[in-house]
Amino acid sequence: DSGVTQTPKHLITATGQRVTLRCSPRSGDLSVYWYQQSLDQGLQFLIQYYNGEERAKGNILERFSAQQFPDLHSELNLSSLELGDSALYFCASSPEVAGGPNEQYFGPGTRLTVT
Amino acid sequence: GQSLEQPSEVTAVEGAIVQINCTYQTSGFYGLSWYQQHDGGAPTFLSYNALDGLEETGRFSSFLSRSDSYGYLLLQELQMKDSASYFCAVRDDRDDKIIFGKGTRLHILP
Repeated sequence: DSGVTQTPKHLITATGQRVTLRCSPRSGDLSVYWYQQSLDQGLQFLIQYYNGEERAKGNILERFSAQQFPDLHSELNLSSLELGDSALYFCASSPEVAGGPNEQYFGPGTRLTVT
Repeated sequence: GQSLEQPSEVTAVEGAIVQINCTYQTSGFYGLSWYQQHDGGAPTFLSYNALDGLEETGRFSSFLSRSDSYGYLLLQELQMKDSASYFCAVRDDRDDKIIFGKGTRLHILP
């Protein structure tokens, strides 16, 4: 158990819909990262937040957005969903703001299926 | 742009030693990380090389040579539980983007 929690575990929704994925980092970690993993694309970095502020941005679609709240939990919002958004979404946390990516702790993931 | 290249699959025998290579095209990065992921599981951190050279952690070692744009993960005394996918990763020191290789699936034969 990494100490990072993600909800829900599974999500099935229809094209065009909007969903919110939630992540709680390990106690004491200030950085939260979001990744998308699909079979053909591997692990794709989406975005990082550090202590409530956006820190780094990967190839995140404009239909996707994220935020980190004062209690450090984070949410990833996916809207206007397409079939191609079906993937495993991981959240990870670390105590550091930059460097690495050294010693990130991954949550169990949310499997999103868009039908 | 940045890219990391890894072999897609490697097969080795239980008890043997295997090396998983990672070559990269990048102008600058902080260091090279390795993660392990079992089927159906989440990635778990294995090692990080900030500087050139060898880092050893139990049965696993990792190596980095910035001059050769090359790193590797070495797994010794292979066990069946080491069957998993292994990913190398870097963070670009210009824009802090994190890049993962596509992963190497390690098959271990008894």
